[in-house]
Amino acid sequence: GAVVSQHPSRVICKSGTSVKIECRSLDFQATTMFWYRQFPKQSLMLMATSNEGSKATYEQGVEKDKFLINHASLTLSTLTVTSAHPEDSSFYICSARSLARQGQTEAFFGQGTRLTVV
Amino acid sequence: AQSVTQPDIHITVSEGASLELRCNYSYGATPYLFWYVQSPGQGLQLLLKYFSGDTLVQGIKGFEAEFKRSQSSFNLRKPSVHWSDAAEYFCAVGRGDAGNMLTFGGGTRLMVKP
Repeated sequence: GAVVSQHPSRVICKSGTSVKIECRSLDFQATTMFWYRQFPKQSLMLMATSNEGSKATYEQGVEKDKFLINHASLTLSTLTVTSAHPEDSSFYICSARSLARQGQTEAFFGQGTRLTVV
Repeated sequence: AQSVTQPDIHITVSEGASLELRCNYSYGATPYLFWYVQSPGQGLQLLLKYFSGDTLVQGIKGFEAEFKRSQSSFNLRKPSVHWSDAAEYFCAVGRGDAGNMLTFGGGTRLMVKP
């Protein structure tokens, strides 16, 4: 159980276009999802926290108008990178957690999405 | 603000040898502490976590970690490394949301010699 799936696993897009990344909890309802970014040879940085049905909370320094997060259902959160530029090329990973699972204190990670902007 | 330091960027050990990966954290309250492993191009797998209680935590794949408050450390250990343990290891401290908002260390890449 506790499977989180991201789609796509890899995407290449042209500079100036927008890209949508999906994060789905397959076997539980995710009241909260987290989006991280990992630049090459660097660690993961939390970008934002999204709660189902409400606006995402962004970490300091993350542009909310560039990285649009939607968490419209209990099993799906999307991250849209708008007007992508080469510097947005990164590995994006989501994690999902459900309060509904008693004693659940772990957020489960998806397999990540490699975004390359050319 | 919380921070996590993993002093060793790369570590190479021989298969069968013992392993210790270092992690130091800075956090104002009692920390939620995690160790994750990441294989190339993959997501993260939780090895173990500490929230409270026994300071020696057992995890999956034969890993353990010890929380030492006086040293602000949470080092990961394994008595005998297998070639399949070669990967990137991340220590993290959690805040908010039951500790699920994670601040990661820079990671330690483990290489295993045959």
